[in-house]
Amino acid sequence: QSTLTQPPAASGTPGQSVTISCSGSNSNIGNNFVYWYQQLPGTAPRLLFYRGNQRPSGVPDRISVSKSGTSASLAISGLRSEDEGLYFCAAWDDSLRGVTFGGGTKLTVL
Amino acid sequence: QVQLVESGGDVVQPGDSLRLSCAASGFTFSAYNMHWVRQAPGDVLEWVAVVWSDATQTYYAESVMGRFTVSRDNSENTVYLQMDGLRAGDTALYYCAIGDGYGGLGFWGQGTLVTVSS
Repeated sequence: QSTLTQPPAASGTPGQSVTISCSGSNSNIGNNFVYWYQQLPGTAPRLLFYRGNQRPSGVPDRISVSKSGTSASLAISGLRSEDEGLYFCAAWDDSLRGVTFGGGTKLTVL
Repeated sequence: QVQLVESGGDVVQPGDSLRLSCAASGFTFSAYNMHWVRQAPGDVLEWVAVVWSDATQTYYAESVMGRFTVSRDNSENTVYLQMDGLRAGDTALYYCAIGDGYGGLGFWGQGTLVTVSS
């Protein structure tokens, strides 16, 4: 069972917007940076956001993140078929002394 | 460019041992923490272990503590995961990844598959 809670699935049609939530606690999201990863079918996870809202090169600005207290969210606007895949949130957990991941959200572009 | 190449995955029986390797190139290996993360069938990611850049500290997931050992050789740009007492629940694709010092994993290898089955 993951320490961070994500919805198992999300969907939208091309051009729509979708938001994926990630809920944690004071020992992880509340006190540390939240990271987001995208995993396209058959590939390794790829970092989407680091140290809060920093975007690596190549990540489009139609993808954004936010955080409030012990929750965070990832928003994708202008959905495209190539956005289809798994999305994971993660954070260092001070109590566990390790990285904790959300269970992942499977995004389907209808 | 940055590369991480995992190796050592195999099909083994419960109770067996296995050592995974991750060869790094394209960045200053000795400056970064290195993590192992696994992904079992069903797609959930599980963090396994981290070794500090200077190898002075290691941390483990509770599920592998006492059975797995992470280490690194900065002269060889390689990080290792020694896995003892393997269980069926350890079956997964094992990734190594570069840490940013804050719990983030900036770059991942392609993974090596470990299957534990009798």
